[in-house]
Amino acid sequence: DAKTTQPPSMDCAEGRAANLPCNHSTISGNEYVYWYRQIHSQGPQYIIHGLKNNETNEMASLIITEDRKSSTLILPHATLRDTAVYYCIVRVATSGTYKYIFGTGTRLKVLA
Amino acid sequence: GAVVSQHPSRVICKSGTSVKIECRSLDFQATTMFWYRQFPKQSLMLMATSNEGSKATYEQGVEKDKFLINHASLTLSTLTVTSAHPEDSSFYICSGRVSSYEQYFGPGTRLTVT
Repeated sequence: DAKTTQPPSMDCAEGRAANLPCNHSTISGNEYVYWYRQIHSQGPQYIIHGLKNNETNEMASLIITEDRKSSTLILPHATLRDTAVYYCIVRVATSGTYKYIFGTGTRLKVLA
Repeated sequence: GAVVSQHPSRVICKSGTSVKIECRSLDFQATTMFWYRQFPKQSLMLMATSNEGSKATYEQGVEKDKFLINHASLTLSTLTVTSAHPEDSSFYICSGRVSSYEQYFGPGTRLTVT
């Protein structure tokens, strides 16, 4: 019951902005969008999250459409170390807590 | 950020034996921990939600008698794969919930059942 869809792979030139799209057309009003990335055989690393406003931190920016049906993660100046699988996740409330529903992920390759 | 460790990082066991994987929150107390499974080139699938001092909540399709979860303290949750079979070979990842908005993941445990 994945709630997000992402392109399976993308390439980006080193130093350029990487824009990773995510569709979450069935998202509910109180469900947050999270982005994590996973470098081979490691645990996922938190990047950013948001509800409806655009967000920015030292790693990335998150742009969420007004209808909240899609979002874009932007890595402003991609480096080779940004090569990873990027997961767009919806956080859903359940039984007094929250759980993450992972999408299929986008494998980003940053090219020198 | 908060740190979560897992032990062991890799384990090989024979079919029919049981394996225990530990998940520890090193610098925070995690009332809730999560266990995920990841097959090669696939996404993470939530297996269960573990709350300190109570029974775990398993996702649909996950056998609770096969994947035993214990969350006896605020910093330790364990996953025991009982009577392991080759199809249980996978990458098992835990995470600890720091707050309503933050969840930190461990480095994962690669289980190979021969």
